[in-house]
Amino acid sequence: QEQLEQSGAEVKEPGASVKVSCRASGYSLIAYRMHVVRQAPGQQGFDYMGWINPYNGDTGYAQKFRGRVTLTRDTSINTAYMELRGLTSDDTAIYYCVRDLRVTCLWGQGTLVTVS
Amino acid sequence: QSALTQPASVSGSPGQSITISCSGTSGDIGSSNYVSWYQRHPGEVHRVVIYDVSNRPSGVSNRFSGSKSGNTASLTISGLQPEDEGYFYCASHSTIGTWVFGGGTKLTVL
Repeated sequence: QEQLEQSGAEVKEPGASVKVSCRASGYSLIAYRMHVVRQAPGQQGFDYMGWINPYNGDTGYAQKFRGRVTLTRDTSINTAYMELRGLTSDDTAIYYCVRDLRVTCLWGQGTLVTVS
Repeated sequence: QSALTQPASVSGSPGQSITISCSGTSGDIGSSNYVSWYQRHPGEVHRVVIYDVSNRPSGVSNRFSGSKSGNTASLTISGLQPEDEGYFYCASHSTIGTWVFGGGTKLTVL
């Protein structure tokens, strides 16, 4: 069964960095682009953060997060990573890894990051 | 504030049809063939119900349909059923190579 398994909840202090992992299970990470979106508490919608092509490492970032977010991958363990630096309270949110965003879309369960 | 605009909530009775709109710009919905809709039931993982404006993945009921006109995409659910209740989100690929999402719509089946 194909799944995206995300790392557990994190609590960080303002100014710190966080690194969230997304392990692909049941399929090869390099077969699909991976995207990261987040949902802030009390907010219904999502902020799109960026994408990575795990096959070659190419990335693209939303303007809002450019310079503060980095997406990487380790193909040997079928895992992608999202690192966000310079955390503020506004970064408190649930972060989701999403495989593809079209026909083969697969969502992770989300990782709560609390900045306090 | 999300990049795409959706109504916060919609409701309908069983058997009725409802439509959820998703308004964007010429830089996203207006120029993209990649518009997707996602559904989330509380406690479950999100799933895609429409991709590429109007295509349904296998396993999604044909009661779900998608369309686009200008800068606005729409999701229609016909023959509303209680299990359709949940949250719906739209997303569109943009001309700058990233995606934008809507604010989400809560569907209540009365």
